[in-house]
Amino acid sequence: EPEVTQTPSHQVTQMGQEVILRCVPISNHLYFYWYRQILGQKVEFLVSFYNNEISEKSEIFDDQFSVERPDGSNFTLKIRSTKLEDSAMYFCASSEATGPYEQYFGPGTRLTVT
Amino acid sequence: AQSVTQLGSHVSVSEGALVLLRCNYSSSVPPYLFWYVQYPNQGLQLLLKYTSAATLVKGINGFEAEFKKSETSFHLTKPSAHMSDAAEYFCAVTSGAGNNRKLIWGLGTSLAVNP
Repeated sequence: EPEVTQTPSHQVTQMGQEVILRCVPISNHLYFYWYRQILGQKVEFLVSFYNNEISEKSEIFDDQFSVERPDGSNFTLKIRSTKLEDSAMYFCASSEATGPYEQYFGPGTRLTVT
Repeated sequence: AQSVTQLGSHVSVSEGALVLLRCNYSSSVPPYLFWYVQYPNQGLQLLLKYTSAATLVKGINGFEAEFKKSETSFHLTKPSAHMSDAAEYFCAVTSGAGNNRKLIWGLGTSLAVNP
């Protein structure tokens, strides 16, 4: 069964460093998403991406964040200068272009900023 | 704006007992509703979805949920709990309108199953 994959599973970085989280969505899906879950808190939407551009972003997704689909398979989230509060589990998801819109999630990348 | 409320951050049941996890939503447009499960150290797995078809929705692992518009609820149930059901359960809503498909999440309910 097709699945969303994410690498790395765990990333430790120092404050101020840039990180790139990688995702391979399900191949025939056209919508891509990033969510994050800070330990003990709810899952939060960061950004959605369709047709090679951002379709929606949350207040969290500020200028420090960017997304890219560099080729036909990868979808990346870049944090330019990490802060301690960026420590969280980051989930990538993808969905088909038409309904019923269920999103399929990857296993997540745990980002720890020290 | 849409929102989701999950009543009870922790629910504990005995093996074989009924599981009832509560979810209420707020939405100004017809919602699409989802339940996801997260096992320890794993990702988010779709349990079931409501997309304006049948109001009683059956999902994987024996779970089902009923959409009640009058009560703005989408509670998750399972007749008989199994030890393997111990996990975190999340209710989520989206409007599915156009390109705005973000999922709005509840805080989650941690289900413990006691032998």
